Amino acid sequence: QKEVEQDPGPLSVPEGAIVSLNCTYSNSAFQYFMWYRQYSRKGPELLMYTYSSGNKEDGRFTAQVDKSSKYISLFIRDSQPSDSATYLCAMSERAGGTSYGKLTFGQGTILTVHP
Amino acid sequence: EPEVTQTPSHQVTQMGQEVILRCVPISNHLYFYWYRQILGQKVEFLVSFYNNEISEKSEIFDDQFSVERPDGSNFTLKIRSTKLEDSAMYFCASSGLREGRTDTQYFGPGTRLTVL
Repeated sequence: QKEVEQDPGPLSVPEGAIVSLNCTYSNSAFQYFMWYRQYSRKGPELLMYTYSSGNKEDGRFTAQVDKSSKYISLFIRDSQPSDSATYLCAMSERAGGTSYGKLTFGQGTILTVHP
Repeated sequence: EPEVTQTPSHQVTQMGQEVILRCVPISNHLYFYWYRQILGQKVEFLVSFYNNEISEKSEIFDDQFSVERPDGSNFTLKIRSTKLEDSAMYFCASSGLREGRTDTQYFGPGTRLTVL
């Protein structure tokens, strides 16, 4: 089983739609969960960061973590054409001990929001 | 807003040649990383660097790779003898304004390495 699984899509939605992006993982030691946005041939840009289970909201973006199910989600409300990008989930173990923050990424989901 | 910078943006080299990829992490960050992304594939961890030494490395990071922080601002990745399969985007990242805060990593724009 892959350590982090993410449906690569592609996902195409109309402007204004609610988008749901998901990742599952197998490593129960993951404590930090991040969503990055990556435009074509650019570096990943940090969107959301959560620690442990729960929800976190930032503007149109909501990140959810369910550690009992090893499942994380990113919701985008009122999606815009400018949201068109690849969305990467990433996770890391708690810092300290043998971990210095190595991120394990999902495959990335390609999202297109059309006007 | 502070950002991670990388040079060059694109490097073309012949197989067997040495390349050095350069990064300037965010000032005052303590942890530095290199990742790579082969076209169409996942972003993969290569190495982390803390307190002037490698703290963790992946199986990809073999003897052909090395990292260095030659001064207070630069962080470099050297590939001694490039192979065709080293062709990828290489991303530098940094994190941690204080010890233990490795979670929020900020990435540079990447260097596209093409090995011919």
